[in-house]
Amino acid sequence: AQKITQTQPGMFVQEKEAVTLDCTYDTSDQSYGLFWYKQPSSGEMIFLIYQGSYDEQNATEGRYSLNFQKARKSANLVISASQLGDSAMYFCAMREGPDRGSTLGRLYFGRGTQLTVWP
Amino acid sequence: ETGVTQTPRHLVMGMTNKKSLKCEQHLGHNAMYWYKQSAKKPLELMFVYNFKEQTENNSVPSRFSPECPNSSHLFLHLHTLQPEDSALYLCASSQTPGTASTDTQYFGPGTRLTVL
Repeated sequence: AQKITQTQPGMFVQEKEAVTLDCTYDTSDQSYGLFWYKQPSSGEMIFLIYQGSYDEQNATEGRYSLNFQKARKSANLVISASQLGDSAMYFCAMREGPDRGSTLGRLYFGRGTQLTVWP
Repeated sequence: ETGVTQTPRHLVMGMTNKKSLKCEQHLGHNAMYWYKQSAKKPLELMFVYNFKEQTENNSVPSRFSPECPNSSHLFLHLHTLQPEDSALYLCASSQTPGTASTDTQYFGPGTRLTVL
């Protein structure tokens, strides 16, 4: 079974509008972390935002916010006021394992959503 | 500006060549990673080094040979590659895997490898 599912291969949004990119995850761990990365056509994976499984508040970083619904195991990324430079591939990722200890926290990635922002 | 650099950015090699990819991180992290990103496939973890020690080899063929001389540098030595090895190879670093922090992984720009 896939650990991370991103069901939207492509999304389109007009400049200055908000857009939500979907992500669902599968884990039996109680402690885990959820990440979103942006990958422009240049290839670099840029870290955007993090949400811990015990965090009660939704994470926010500037125009990015994470809509975390633990019971539904979803961690959707919301981008407000889209800009042309937001056009890129967006990846959701999850790190399982305890927050403490020596267990390696492997990152599992989804297949990504290609976001296109048009003027 | 990224704290993780990778060279070269593009590499074309024949199946009999030997080449190396280099990664350097300037973030003071202790863990470094190699990932492979092929078209239409999720990112695949290849190797993990923690404090210069290899802690994970994700069933990677022996034609890929990693080397981590110190916590700031990571190499991927390539030999006798196959055309299906053509991909974007990404290096990442993090403070230390499995700690109480977010342990966010920060990526380099990648090396686009083409095997002829």
